[in-house]
Amino acid sequence: GAGVSQSPSNKVTEKGKDVELRCDPISGHTALYWYRQSLGQGLEFLIYFQGNSAPDKSGLPSDRFSAERTGGSVSTLTIQRTQQEDSAVYLCASSPDRRALGNYEQYFGPGTRLTVT
Amino acid sequence: AQKVTQAQTEISVVEKEDVTLDCVYETRDTTYYLFWYKQPPSGELVFLIRRNSFDEQNEISGRYSWNFQKSTSSFNFTITASQVVDSAVYFCALTPRVSNYQLIWGAGTKLIIKP
Repeated sequence: GAGVSQSPSNKVTEKGKDVELRCDPISGHTALYWYRQSLGQGLEFLIYFQGNSAPDKSGLPSDRFSAERTGGSVSTLTIQRTQQEDSAVYLCASSPDRRALGNYEQYFGPGTRLTVT
Repeated sequence: AQKVTQAQTEISVVEKEDVTLDCVYETRDTTYYLFWYKQPPSGELVFLIRRNSFDEQNEISGRYSWNFQKSTSSFNFTITASQVVDSAVYFCALTPRVSNYQLIWGAGTKLIIKP
């Protein structure tokens, strides 16, 4: 596709359930980023991928959060045993080359709105 | 410390007025990049501008202009002759050279343009 896509667009889940959020970056973009945005807040960095590897997982809030990227393309963010405080919009972004971030902006997907009841 | 401050939580103006959104940043790096993004009610973040720390020349794009001043660590954004479609949350962000993949975000300024 032309832009970054994310699915589902909305997800309502019960506390304690696991959820998977998917991100399809722009074709050819080697860098992929996950962010979390709580209501009325700025963006919170979660994890960054360069290719299939994740050199920086420091933003993941707890060990209930994990992410993987396969084939240098699609990425999945998994939240296990969801809690109400996990409710937020999860945004994915991609860019052509992380080493040249200064020259390439991040392109964002529409996000997945997660609601934990 | 690396930090971006957008002190204005919300601004409301009447259409056609000019409005300036403030952004102040902190970084130890001498090389860094600054960004502005727009997040309309639809939610998708839209890139507006990128500026590197070596280029202090102000930039104008249509009704948008940006004033980068290293002396005051500010990168302010002005919309002239505002329109209702400009209503959105605007984020300023910083990428320090040291970790040149992570964007450090301000909290955002919600701009409301009244008809």
